[in-house]
Amino acid sequence: NAGVTQTPKFQVLKTGQSMTLQCAQDMNHEYMSWYRQDPGMGLRLIHYSVGAGITDQGEVPNGYNVSRSTTEDFPLRLLSAAPSQTSVYFCASSPWGDGEKLFFGSGTQLSVL
Amino acid sequence: QKEVEQDPGPLSVPEGAIVSLNCTYSNSAFQYFMWYRQYSRKGPELLMYTYSSGNKEDGRFTAQVDKSSKYISLFIRDSQPSDSATYLCAMSGGATNKLIFGTGTLLAVQP
Repeated sequence: NAGVTQTPKFQVLKTGQSMTLQCAQDMNHEYMSWYRQDPGMGLRLIHYSVGAGITDQGEVPNGYNVSRSTTEDFPLRLLSAAPSQTSVYFCASSPWGDGEKLFFGSGTQLSVL
Repeated sequence: QKEVEQDPGPLSVPEGAIVSLNCTYSNSAFQYFMWYRQYSRKGPELLMYTYSSGNKEDGRFTAQVDKSSKYISLFIRDSQPSDSATYLCAMSGGATNKLIFGTGTLLAVQP
């Protein structure tokens, strides 16, 4: 029972580089989201999706892109990495109608030098 | 002022103690209140979920919501070293229905 799977677990980037954080879930959840977690700031919503083909911005979307071509996958793209994007990133999913009951992945620790 | 305030701790207690974790909030439209537990280097996991005011009990855990005071609590009875983690409160409701997280309280239960 995999749940929400994130890859990679760790990544180091140089300023200006781009990369994609992968997220997949096998629970057939309609809702998926990306959060970043920073000390003293808590979890902040970056982007979310309520179904395939539908995405929307969260609280801190600048510098990130998402797409949702299938129910299972929700990748997060960093277009041009900046040191301010150094953080731990979590992908989460939930069943339709239970948006508060999130299932989280194990996270990606990203450092931008 | 943040919508949700949570004391970051750390909170250190001896094994067997009763633990009280708390959050305050400012948005009176919040109706759904959650507690998530996060072990080191892991993703958060949903621990307790309550709707509106009142208490909810699950084993050693009790969640309490006081909407009149805009205050929620999580009580852990007979705390165990395995309870050592960061506890995040979260809440949602109102027009946007966005989920807002507290910053988390780090709990250490000493054997």
